[in-house]
Amino acid sequence: EDQVTQSPEALRLQEGESSSLNCSYTVSGLRGLFWYRQDPGKGPEFLFTLYSAGEEKEKERLKATLTKKESFLHITAPKPEDSATYLCAVQLPNSGYALNFGKGTSLLVTP
Amino acid sequence: DTGVSQNPRHKITKRGQNVTFRCDPISEHNRLYWYRQTLGQGPEFLTYFQNEAQLEKSRLLSDRFSAERPKGSFSTLEIQRTEQGDSAMYLCASSLRSGGANTGELFFGEGSRLTVL
Repeated sequence: EDQVTQSPEALRLQEGESSSLNCSYTVSGLRGLFWYRQDPGKGPEFLFTLYSAGEEKEKERLKATLTKKESFLHITAPKPEDSATYLCAVQLPNSGYALNFGKGTSLLVTP
Repeated sequence: DTGVSQNPRHKITKRGQNVTFRCDPISEHNRLYWYRQTLGQGPEFLTYFQNEAQLEKSRLLSDRFSAERPKGSFSTLEIQRTEQGDSAMYLCASSLRSGGANTGELFFGEGSRLTVL
């Protein structure tokens, strides 16, 4: 079965300290790699979709990249408001657009 | 507010009771999904509907779980004879069949948190 593994489980950064989150995946055929952000007590919020190796997308301080085996979410000069759990997911086969999520990386950015 | 709406936001029940959660998707979305999320885990896919048809239900956790979308608009998720292990956040999401601007993007509600005592 398709698997999604995220690392690290938790990450603490100082404001302005750039870093990357990792998502490795094992799928029979990639139909899309998704990144979501989830704040405590809220539902996940869509960030990016990547479809093919080499693809990159950016939004403010976030940039997502994709290879054939993994995706990275790069956070440049993070701010405290970037603190959240970041979820990676792949589409499940034969389930509409249903997603198979990893466990997430909990990011805390301190002032 | 035109986002996905879920009710109730919080439900506390005693073991053995039945509970029902409601989800109102974004109005033009014809696909609706239910997920369960426990502490420290990512959301776990349970079932989905396209209009009123339930096209995938093999991932429902047991026969105590059932979902309906009778008129292709709102949906309900029912858990019968609740157990303490059912305590979790139940999330609903919706999407367009065509995918919209970001193919496959799911729009999530804020969830219904269930506590079984």
